[in-house]
Amino acid sequence: AQSVTQPDIHITVSEGASLELRCNYSYGATPYLFWYVQSPGQGLQLLLKYFSGDTLVQGIKGFEAEFKRSQSSFNLRKPSVHWSDAAEYFCAARGGGYNKLIFGAGTRLAVHP
Amino acid sequence: ETGVTQSPTHLIKTRGQQVTLRCSSQSGHNTVSWYQQALGQGPQFIFQYYREEENGRGNFPPRFSGLQFPNYSSELNVNALELDDSALYLCASSTLTSGGPGGGELFFGEGSRLTVL
Repeated sequence: AQSVTQPDIHITVSEGASLELRCNYSYGATPYLFWYVQSPGQGLQLLLKYFSGDTLVQGIKGFEAEFKRSQSSFNLRKPSVHWSDAAEYFCAARGGGYNKLIFGAGTRLAVHP
Repeated sequence: ETGVTQSPTHLIKTRGQQVTLRCSSQSGHNTVSWYQQALGQGPQFIFQYYREEENGRGNFPPRFSGLQFPNYSSELNVNALELDDSALYLCASSTLTSGGPGGGELFFGEGSRLTVL
């Protein structure tokens, strides 16, 4: 069955530290991959997406993600975290065809001053 | 600001009642999909509408139904509400292509939070 796994439920980092959020997928073929961020009381905002080509993808707010086919992973990174990055982050995948996204359970990020 | 608006933002119902949630899609988008996000979980795909017809459905019972109107706005209806239906319901609009990467970045609304007592 198709699935997306985010192994870390909660992560706490200090402001200015680097960040890596993990995401693994299980699909029959390489899916399209996405990272979304959700702030409290708000909807989902797309940070970045991977369809094909360069395996290092740049997104908004200084985020990047690296696709590794051999590890079925699509980890999100940021070199220096800001307090405003505190939110919940969701990895998602989509096969071809219609726009059904399969989401991971999310990782809640807390940022200490 | 995605241009996708949902109403109501919050509502409380009791078991057995029915609820209708509404979504106005972003201008130029012809596809609407609905997701259920239970507390502490990722969103789960309910269904998608394209040109006023359902063209994809997740693992939800028939008491979850929807409509899409000629202006591409949409409704989600849930009958015979159960306690487990308490969740944030997210609407997302997009453009549908025949697959491929251009097929619709999803733009999400802020959701309707439903509490069933």
